[in-house]
Amino acid sequence: GAVVSQHPSWVICKSGTSVKIECRSLDFQATTMFWYRQFPKQSLMLMATSNEGSKATYEQGVEKDKFLINHASLTLSTLTVTSAHPEDSSFYICSARRRTGADTQYFGPGTRLTVL
Amino acid sequence: GQNIDQPTEMTATEGAIVQINCTYQTSGFNGLFWYQQHAGEAPTFLSYNVLDGLEEKGRFSSFLSRSKGYSYLLLKELQMKDSASYLCAPSNDYKLSFGAGTTVTVRA
Repeated sequence: GAVVSQHPSWVICKSGTSVKIECRSLDFQATTMFWYRQFPKQSLMLMATSNEGSKATYEQGVEKDKFLINHASLTLSTLTVTSAHPEDSSFYICSARRRTGADTQYFGPGTRLTVL
Repeated sequence: GQNIDQPTEMTATEGAIVQINCTYQTSGFNGLFWYQQHAGEAPTFLSYNVLDGLEEKGRFSSFLSRSKGYSYLLLKELQMKDSASYLCAPSNDYKLSFGAGTTVTVRA
């Protein structure tokens, strides 16, 4: 199998606080992990690409100082939304690409963030 | 940049066949993925085409023509649980770009 988990599955926080979301590949090593954001009834938008042991690559328009990404191991990447605002409320989804084999990305179950 | 076009909505009856077309224009191309996404959930992998032609996997098949920038997902023997959004996602340098998705509604 290729299972990717995310934690937490949902979180509600106050404006100005920071929220950390974890993405883990449970049964495989992931060379690369990706972070997406999806607003209601819209498509997934790639935020950043995270490679183990190196800095993340952010897509145009995504603030790297606001969305901190750490990929500490081949099975774990974290996304920290700093100083969250209501407009950051969204569905955040990570995916992981296997270290070997096919190029398929496997998605985590997503984290629904609500900023009050 | 990336430009991905697929129909917004499709409706079909249980047991029928539906074909979801996708055209794309990308600056680079490794292959094309199809994902299924139920409302409020993350996408689940359906298929991956690298070479031209048809890939069959149970009730779902996917076709790719790289020269035409065209793919389709064929859903056969539709079931109620197939009601979902279907996402076409070409891959460039292993990064996926998603279309807006096609919402398929299966009616009894």
